[in-house]
Amino acid sequence: DAGVIQSPRHEVTEMGQEVTLRCKPISGHNSLFWYRQTMMRGLELLIYFNNNVPIDDSGMPEDRFSAKMPNASFSTLKIQPSEPRDSAVYFCASSPRTGVGGIYGYTFGSGTRLTVV
Amino acid sequence: SQQGEEDPQALSIQEGENATMNCSYKTSINNLQWYRQNSGRGLVHLILIRSNEREKHSGRLRVTLDTSKKSSSLLITASRAADTASYFCAPSGAGSYQLTFGKGTKLSVIP
Repeated sequence: DAGVIQSPRHEVTEMGQEVTLRCKPISGHNSLFWYRQTMMRGLELLIYFNNNVPIDDSGMPEDRFSAKMPNASFSTLKIQPSEPRDSAVYFCASSPRTGVGGIYGYTFGSGTRLTVV
Repeated sequence: SQQGEEDPQALSIQEGENATMNCSYKTSINNLQWYRQNSGRGLVHLILIRSNEREKHSGRLRVTLDTSKKSSSLLITASRAADTASYFCAPSGAGSYQLTFGKGTKLSVIP
Protein backbone atom coordinates (compact mmCIF):
# COMPACT_ATOMS: atom_id res chain seq x y z
CA ASP A 1 0.00 0.00 0.00
CA ALA A 2 1.24 3.51 -0.81
CA GLY A 3 0.19 4.86 2.56
CA VAL A 4 -1.93 7.94 3.15
CA ILE A 5 -1.62 10.22 0.14
CA GLN A 6 -2.08 13.96 0.43
CA SER A 7 -2.09 16.56 -2.29
CA PRO A 8 -0.79 19.04 -3.00
CA ARG A 9 2.47 18.87 -1.00
CA HIS A 10 2.80 22.63 -1.07
CA GLU A 11 0.23 25.32 -1.70
CA VAL A 12 0.80 29.06 -1.86
CA THR A 13 -2.29 31.18 -2.24
CA GLU A 14 -3.40 34.74 -1.80
CA MET A 15 -5.58 35.84 1.05
CA GLY A 16 -9.25 35.48 0.19
CA GLN A 17 -8.79 32.59 -2.20
CA GLU A 18 -10.37 29.19 -1.77
CA VAL A 19 -8.01 26.34 -0.89
CA THR A 20 -8.81 22.63 -1.16
CA LEU A 21 -6.60 20.00 0.39
CA ARG A 22 -7.02 16.35 -0.56
CA CYS A 23 -6.45 13.05 1.17
CA LYS A 24 -6.61 9.42 0.13
CA PRO A 25 -6.57 7.13 3.19
CA ILE A 26 -5.23 3.61 3.26
CA SER A 27 -7.66 1.16 1.72
CA GLY A 28 -9.68 -0.59 4.41
CA HIS A 29 -9.11 2.04 7.06
CA ASN A 30 -12.42 3.27 8.36
CA SER A 31 -11.31 6.26 10.44
CA LEU A 32 -9.87 9.46 9.01
CA PHE A 33 -8.50 12.50 10.81
CA TRP A 34 -7.41 15.97 9.72
CA TYR A 35 -4.78 17.74 11.83
CA ARG A 36 -3.11 21.14 11.56
CA GLN A 37 0.41 21.81 12.81
CA THR A 38 2.01 25.16 13.59
CA MET A 39 4.99 26.12 15.70
CA MET A 40 2.82 28.09 18.08
CA ARG A 41 -0.05 25.66 18.59
CA GLY A 42 1.51 22.30 17.79
CA LEU A 43 -0.72 19.58 16.36
CA GLU A 44 -4.43 20.32 16.50
CA LEU A 45 -7.14 17.83 15.60
CA LEU A 46 -9.60 19.50 13.26
CA ILE A 47 -12.11 16.78 12.40
CA TYR A 48 -12.63 13.02 12.68
CA PHE A 49 -14.59 10.80 10.27
CA ASN A 50 -15.69 7.25 10.93
CA ASN A 51 -17.05 5.22 8.01
CA ASN A 52 -17.22 8.45 5.98
CA VAL A 53 -19.41 10.20 8.57
CA PRO A 54 -18.10 13.27 10.45
CA ILE A 55 -18.11 12.35 14.13
CA ASP A 56 -16.39 15.29 15.77
CA ASP A 57 -15.68 18.61 14.09
CA SER A 58 -15.25 20.62 17.28
CA GLY A 59 -11.65 21.38 16.31
CA MET A 60 -12.58 23.15 13.09
CA PRO A 61 -11.53 26.70 13.89
CA GLU A 62 -14.13 28.66 11.97
CA ASP A 63 -16.96 28.38 9.48
CA ARG A 64 -14.40 29.14 6.81
CA PHE A 65 -13.21 25.56 7.25
CA SER A 66 -15.20 22.61 5.92
CA ALA A 67 -14.40 18.95 5.36
CA LYS A 68 -16.06 16.21 3.40
CA MET A 69 -15.61 12.49 2.87
CA PRO A 70 -17.81 11.50 -0.08
CA ASN A 71 -16.49 7.93 -0.09
CA ALA A 72 -14.10 5.65 1.77
CA SER A 73 -11.15 6.56 -0.42
CA PHE A 74 -11.25 10.35 -0.53
CA SER A 75 -11.55 13.33 1.76
CA THR A 76 -11.17 17.07 1.29
CA LEU A 77 -10.51 19.97 3.61
CA LYS A 78 -11.58 23.32 2.23
CA ILE A 79 -10.79 26.81 3.46
CA GLN A 80 -12.87 29.62 2.00
CA PRO A 81 -11.83 32.39 2.18
CA SER A 82 -8.26 31.74 3.26
CA GLU A 83 -6.36 34.05 5.63
CA PRO A 84 -2.64 34.38 6.45
CA ARG A 85 -3.23 32.85 9.90
CA ASP A 86 -4.33 29.64 8.19
CA SER A 87 -0.73 29.08 7.11
CA ALA A 88 0.31 25.73 8.57
CA VAL A 89 1.04 22.13 7.66
CA TYR A 90 -2.16 20.13 7.33
CA PHE A 91 -1.97 16.39 7.94
CA CYS A 92 -4.42 13.66 7.14
CA ALA A 93 -4.25 10.38 9.07
CA SER A 94 -6.19 7.14 8.89
CA SER A 95 -6.56 4.13 11.14
CA PRO A 96 -7.93 0.64 10.55
CA ARG A 97 -10.54 0.67 13.22
CA THR A 98 -12.81 2.91 15.19
CA GLY A 99 -10.94 4.53 18.01
CA VAL A 100 -7.27 5.06 18.41
CA GLY A 101 -6.14 2.53 15.90
CA GLY A 102 -5.17 -0.43 18.02
CA ILE A 103 -1.61 -1.63 18.09
CA TYR A 104 -0.82 -0.03 14.74
CA GLY A 105 -1.98 3.45 15.67
CA TYR A 106 -2.56 6.08 13.06
CA THR A 107 -0.88 6.32 9.67
CA PHE A 108 -0.14 9.89 8.70
CA GLY A 109 0.31 11.39 5.26
CA SER A 110 3.26 13.61 4.44
CA GLY A 111 1.18 16.74 4.86
CA THR A 112 0.32 19.80 2.82
CA ARG A 113 2.28 22.94 3.62
CA LEU A 114 -0.10 25.84 3.12
CA THR A 115 1.12 29.40 2.85
CA VAL A 116 -1.43 32.18 2.59
CA VAL A 117 0.07 35.53 1.59
CA SER B 1 -9.36 12.60 24.81
CA GLN B 2 -6.38 13.81 26.76
CA GLN B 3 -3.06 15.22 25.76
CA GLY B 4 0.29 14.02 27.01
CA GLU B 5 3.02 16.41 28.03
CA GLU B 6 6.51 15.52 26.86
CA ASP B 7 9.66 16.42 28.72
CA PRO B 8 12.23 17.71 27.99
CA GLN B 9 11.17 20.00 25.17
CA ALA B 10 14.55 19.55 23.52
CA LEU B 11 17.39 17.07 23.93
CA SER B 12 20.79 17.01 22.28
CA ILE B 13 23.10 13.99 22.53
CA GLN B 14 26.08 12.45 20.80
CA GLU B 15 25.65 9.53 18.45
CA GLY B 16 25.90 6.25 20.35
CA GLU B 17 24.47 7.66 23.57
CA ASN B 18 21.07 6.74 24.95
CA ALA B 19 18.17 9.18 24.79
CA THR B 20 15.37 9.24 27.32
CA MET B 21 12.23 11.30 27.02
CA ASN B 22 9.26 11.37 29.33
CA CYS B 23 5.53 11.78 29.07
CA SER B 24 3.04 12.71 31.75
CA TYR B 25 -0.73 12.60 31.56
CA LYS B 26 -3.63 13.45 33.82
CA THR B 27 -6.35 10.79 33.80
CA SER B 28 -6.45 7.00 33.65
CA ILE B 29 -5.65 5.38 30.34
CA ASN B 30 -6.19 2.19 28.38
CA ASN B 31 -3.00 2.58 26.41
CA LEU B 32 -0.33 5.05 25.41
CA GLN B 33 1.32 5.42 22.04
CA TRP B 34 4.60 7.00 20.97
CA TYR B 35 5.14 8.62 17.59
CA ARG B 36 8.15 10.06 15.77
CA GLN B 37 8.10 12.99 13.36
CA ASN B 38 11.05 13.67 11.11
CA SER B 39 11.42 17.21 9.84
CA GLY B 40 8.89 17.99 7.13
CA ARG B 41 7.13 14.64 7.41
CA GLY B 42 4.05 13.17 9.05
CA LEU B 43 4.06 11.32 12.35
CA VAL B 44 5.08 7.68 12.38
CA HIS B 45 3.68 5.25 14.94
CA LEU B 46 6.47 3.66 17.00
CA ILE B 47 4.93 1.61 19.75
CA LEU B 48 1.81 1.15 21.87
CA ILE B 49 1.87 0.08 25.52
CA ARG B 50 -1.29 -1.04 27.28
CA SER B 51 -2.22 0.01 30.79
CA ASN B 52 -1.56 -3.49 32.16
CA GLU B 53 1.97 -3.54 30.74
CA ARG B 54 4.95 -2.02 32.50
CA GLU B 55 7.58 -2.30 29.82
CA LYS B 56 7.74 -2.96 26.11
CA HIS B 57 10.60 -3.28 23.65
CA SER B 58 10.88 -2.77 19.92
CA GLY B 59 14.35 -2.92 18.46
CA ARG B 60 16.36 -0.10 20.07
CA LEU B 61 13.24 1.36 21.68
CA ARG B 62 12.20 0.66 25.24
CA VAL B 63 8.98 2.09 26.63
CA THR B 64 7.94 2.00 30.26
CA LEU B 65 4.62 2.88 31.81
CA ASP B 66 3.90 3.76 35.42
CA THR B 67 0.16 4.18 35.80
CA SER B 68 0.48 5.11 39.48
CA LYS B 69 2.56 8.12 38.50
CA LYS B 70 0.68 8.67 35.25
CA SER B 71 3.90 8.73 33.31
CA SER B 72 5.72 6.94 30.54
CA SER B 73 9.23 7.06 29.21
CA LEU B 74 10.77 6.29 25.85
CA LEU B 75 14.38 5.16 25.76
CA ILE B 76 16.32 5.02 22.51
CA THR B 77 19.53 3.06 22.95
CA ALA B 78 22.70 3.54 20.90
CA SER B 79 21.26 6.58 19.15
CA ARG B 80 21.99 7.35 15.51
CA ALA B 81 21.89 10.58 13.55
CA ALA B 82 18.78 9.21 11.82
CA ASP B 83 16.97 9.26 15.18
CA THR B 84 16.97 13.06 15.02
CA ALA B 85 13.28 13.91 15.11
CA SER B 86 10.48 15.07 17.37
CA TYR B 87 8.85 12.46 19.57
CA PHE B 88 5.26 12.61 20.78
CA CYS B 89 3.27 10.57 23.25
CA ALA B 90 -0.48 10.05 22.96
CA PRO B 91 -2.35 8.68 25.99
CA SER B 92 -5.75 7.18 25.36
CA GLY B 93 -8.54 6.42 27.82
CA ALA B 94 -11.57 4.16 27.64
CA GLY B 95 -13.83 5.03 24.75
CA SER B 96 -11.29 7.35 23.15
CA TYR B 97 -11.77 7.70 19.46
CA GLN B 98 -9.16 10.33 18.76
CA LEU B 99 -5.60 11.14 19.67
CA THR B 100 -4.37 14.56 20.70
CA PHE B 101 -0.70 15.45 20.77
CA GLY B 102 1.46 17.75 22.86
CA LYS B 103 4.43 19.78 21.70
CA GLY B 104 6.76 16.79 21.70
CA THR B 105 10.44 16.34 22.54
CA LYS B 106 12.83 17.50 19.85
CA LEU B 107 15.79 15.13 19.80
CA SER B 108 19.03 16.05 18.06
CA VAL B 109 21.64 13.32 17.66
CA ILE B 110 25.02 14.77 16.76
CA PRO B 111 27.26 12.58 14.59
